[in-house]
Amino acid sequence: NAGVTQTPKFQVLKTGQSMTLQCAQDMNHEYMSWYRQDPGMGLRLIHYSVGAGITDQGEVPNGYNVSRSTTEDFPLRLLSAAPSQTSVYFCASARPGQGSWLYGYTFGSGTRLTVV
Amino acid sequence: AQTVTQSQPEMSVQEAETVTLSCTYDTSESDYYLFWYKQPPSRQMILVIRQEAYKQQNATENRFSVNFQKAAKSFSLKISDSQLGDAAMYFCAYSGSGGSNYKLTFGKGTLLTVNP
Repeated sequence: NAGVTQTPKFQVLKTGQSMTLQCAQDMNHEYMSWYRQDPGMGLRLIHYSVGAGITDQGEVPNGYNVSRSTTEDFPLRLLSAAPSQTSVYFCASARPGQGSWLYGYTFGSGTRLTVV
Repeated sequence: AQTVTQSQPEMSVQEAETVTLSCTYDTSESDYYLFWYKQPPSRQMILVIRQEAYKQQNATENRFSVNFQKAAKSFSLKISDSQLGDAAMYFCAYSGSGGSNYKLTFGKGTLLTVNP
């Protein structure tokens, strides 16, 4: 059981470049989220989805785009990378109300992104 | 919007001793969930314990227990018989209930050091 898989694990971008962080889960979870983690700031919600075709903004959505065409995948797109987007990014999934909700959200292993 | 506050940026404990990490939150909802996540240097987010707001009984998982004070909106984590492997960043997190409310809001974290 792979859980939540994030790729890549590390990435260096130049300012202005675009890229997509991939996230896939194989647990049939309805809910998926993207967080960014910065020193002293905890994890902040970027975008989330409550099911295929449904997405919404979180606390820090500017500069990021998401789509949810399938239950399994929830990619995060950086449209034009900026140094302020240097961070560690986590994808997480859950199925609230079901047995697995006992374990809360399942997190991927994170992507460390550096924008130079 | 819900907020989660961890007032202790850093804590230290001697091996085999007990330590308590503090967390307060603000919400107008009556039904919600609270979590403690552990993040070791590996960066992986690991669920330590969770509490449902409708349950008066404090959650316990082996050496980890919580003191949930709903009226005071307080959710502290007690680690008994601390071990070197407990050294990590600990995050308190809140999730609402129902629909799009099942998204996590995190505190800024408490870095726990365990001294041998």
